[in-house]
Amino acid sequence: SYELTQPPSVSVSPGQTARITCSGDALPKQYAYWYQQKPGQAPVLVIYKDSERPSGIPERFSGASSGTTVTLTISGVQAEDEADYYCQSTDSSGTCPFGGGTKLTVL
Amino acid sequence: EVQLLESGGGLIQPGGSLRLSCAASGFTFSSYAMSWVRQAPGKGLEWVSAISGSGGSTYYADSVKGRFTISRDNSKNTLYLQINSLRAEDTAVYYCAKDVDITLEGCFDPWGQGTLVTVSS
Repeated sequence: SYELTQPPSVSVSPGQTARITCSGDALPKQYAYWYQQKPGQAPVLVIYKDSERPSGIPERFSGASSGTTVTLTISGVQAEDEADYYCQSTDSSGTCPFGGGTKLTVL
Repeated sequence: EVQLLESGGGLIQPGGSLRLSCAASGFTFSSYAMSWVRQAPGKGLEWVSAISGSGGSTYYADSVKGRFTISRDNSKNTLYLQINSLRAEDTAVYYCAKDVDITLEGCFDPWGQGTLVTVSS
């Protein structure tokens, strides 16, 4: 399986835009997914197929893909967005690796 | 409403075995692949294993291959994970998660609340 690389932490002030990147060699060929996890809670899917947003996820969450990097963007960050964010993908052998996770701090 | 309820976790000695269960409701269970994902205390998410909707295809992370066995009983709407030869590094919260297709798509939505497995003597 291959690895997905995320920055350990990102900090932004309320109302600003947060961008979290995820890099992996197979990302040009495989979709990426993003999950939000708050302390003591199960993860929640916030972006699927690189840039699609599930129903119930606020419009301020968006995703994009460019080459070997995918990016989760949170526009107009709110205090409630403070959480850990994980990217995840699949590979041709049928494994589903996660990135190491990024802790988003809202200052 | 889709619900996933894990059970079977607990304190187990190194070398022991355990079977985790995930009871599903609110959707046609046999129409969706399912996965197990674990999270060690204070660490990130680690995908462990997946199974197709029919149960005919199974997938494992290299770190658990040969020790973990995933299975499902579609008549009981239940997913299982048999864990053998438990090690301290298997200590984690184990989540089950529903995929979005009958085959492994690798898109997990939703997740259960998890069951804690602690391996210690």
